[in-house]
Formats: sequence, structure tokens, C-alpha cells
Amino acid sequence: GAGVSQSPRYKVTKRGQDVALRCDPISGHVSLYWYRQALGQGPEFLTYFNYEAQQDKSGLPNDRFSAERPEGSISTLTIQRTEQRDSAMYRCASSLGGEQYFGPGTRLTVT
Amino acid sequence: GESVGLHLPTLSVQEGDNSIINCAYSNSASDYFIWYKQESGKGPQFIIDIRSNMDKRQGQRVTVLLNKTVKHLSLQIAATQPGDSAVYFCAEKAQTSYDKVIFGPGTSLSVIP
Repeated sequence: GAGVSQSPRYKVTKRGQDVALRCDPISGHVSLYWYRQALGQGPEFLTYFNYEAQQDKSGLPNDRFSAERPEGSISTLTIQRTEQRDSAMYRCASSLGGEQYFGPGTRLTVT
Repeated sequence: GESVGLHLPTLSVQEGDNSIINCAYSNSASDYFIWYKQESGKGPQFIIDIRSNMDKRQGQRVTVLLNKTVKHLSLQIAATQPGDSAVYFCAEKAQTSYDKVIFGPGTSLSVIP
């Protein structure tokens, strides 16, 4: 499989718990992006990396959200002290600088 | 601020007809525009793109038109097929943040067999 993969595909957590969402980009892709997508809307930019460097995190809603890509490949988006408003589809995409390839997403539900 | 939006949230077309999906954008500094197709349960998939120095670009059964004067973007799908049923998003890359992609809210295209 050469596409972008994300895990878990579904995550249900209780309010106040921390969650970690993983993204495996296409091998060799330099850029990795995180988006959040509400039903019926376009993906909302959160942050992105070139190699291991976080280039832009202006879309992260608040300091409970953080992301890392320590070796320039796999990335983790962490949400601390989750709240119900964090419930959404979280999507990852990777690229070589042009077209972005999206993963299937992680559906996060905070109860 | 930056904003990309769509005129029509839903569109139903007869199989074999041509479809036109419209999009308005407000950031005149944007220089790159992309159309994505998203099928149910899947991530967005690139369809076609266009740079601001072009007015028209054609792909296989799809054409994107860019009117910078009125900040309008459209996607034309020729001979629409049932497999074209999906949500379509226009998106832009702003000059100030080269790799940051801003998406519009989406248009749902339904093809009637």
C-alpha cells in the first residue's frame, strides 16, 4: 500500500483524556499536513511539516493541540484534556511539494 | 481575511449532462487554486489545479476556469457519470503561506442515472 495511512480510524474517548493520532505519509514525501474536517465542510488547516520541521502551526485551535514529526516521516497529533468540541474527523495529507495525498482520517468522538 | 466559498451547496444533474460547480474566493493574493473530489468515507482527492496566470485548464473530462476579475473559479465536468457523485471542494494556496491550503465548504454533486 503506497497511500497515506492513519490510525486509529475511530477513537472514542472521555472528556479530559489525552489522545494521540498517528499519520504515516507516503514514503519519501517531504511535506506532511494535518487538517480537521467537520461534516459537510472542507478540511480546516491545522499545521504542517517539511521533513521534521514544523513550518506553520497557526491553525492549531489552542495549546491543547500539538504535533510532532521527529524523524521526518511518521507524525503524531496530540490533543490534551479533550473536550466535546474536539469531536471531528482529523485528516493527514502528504506531498512532495505539489499535489497533496490525503489519508482516510481518524474519526474522534469525545463523550 | 482569507475566504473560499461556494455558491451552491448541492447540485443534481442527469447522467450524460455537463456539470458546473462554482466557487468564489476573496483573497486576491492567492496564486494557486485546486479542485478536490471527496467520496463518502474517503479523503479528498486531487482533480485539477490552475495557477493565477492562467484562465483555463483542461483535464480528462474536467475543465477549470479562473476569473480573477471577479474572483471566481468553476469546475466543469463533461458527460457526468454516476461515479462523479461526490462532494467537490475548491481550495486555494495563499502567497503568504505557500503550502497552506484553504478549503471552501463543498458542493455535493448527485448524478441521476
